[in-house]
Amino acid sequence: ETGVTQTPRHLVMGMTNKKSLKCEQHLGHNAMYWYKQSAKKPLELMFVYSLEERVENNSVPSRFSPECPNSSHLFLHLHTLQPEDSALYLCASSRDSGSRTDTQYFGPGTRLTVL
Amino acid sequence: QKEVEQNSGPLSVPEGAIASLNCTYSDRGSQSFFWYRQYSGKSPELIMFIYSNGDKEDGRFTAQLNKASQYVSLLIRDSQPSDSATYLCAVNTPNSGGYQKVTFGIGTKLQVIP
Repeated sequence: ETGVTQTPRHLVMGMTNKKSLKCEQHLGHNAMYWYKQSAKKPLELMFVYSLEERVENNSVPSRFSPECPNSSHLFLHLHTLQPEDSALYLCASSRDSGSRTDTQYFGPGTRLTVL
Repeated sequence: QKEVEQNSGPLSVPEGAIASLNCTYSDRGSQSFFWYRQYSGKSPELIMFIYSNGDKEDGRFTAQLNKASQYVSLLIRDSQPSDSATYLCAVNTPNSGGYQKVTFGIGTKLQVIP
């Protein structure tokens, strides 16, 4: 595997379910990100982790819970979601979140549908 | 409010023409600027980045930055149907949390007509 991978690629869940999204980066990067992309809206930054420490929680509802056990893996735990949470969830990684030259590379995304 | 603005399009150009995509940003503290291409149903992929005023060329792509006007653009020469996609402008700005916060525009949909 190379680059940034995400599983599952598609997920359908009910509002009472609990599920998790997984992201893995094989680039040796130190920072990882979760974004939400909804139709006709810009990418919304949700969480930022730098060296496994959360440095940004962008006013995200508590029904989304991130976890970064190491610099290569990032999870997004989901519970009691709402239909408006249906979107494409993108994971990204970058070498150094503090550098102005830092560049983010995206995974393929998880298309989430909440029924 | 800190924003990155793009015309959502669609921008239609004939094959072989120059496509010009524009982006403005509101935060004068922004330091670096990126263009991503996103095909329908796919994730964004990096095309170019630019940090300094002026032009930066890479193959058929040229990024232009004017910090005084808070304006960044992407030119695509000899447009091909395979260039049809949504182009996202992204802006890095230093954050009080010690990291560069990336703000994305809504993206401009480009259609290259054969």
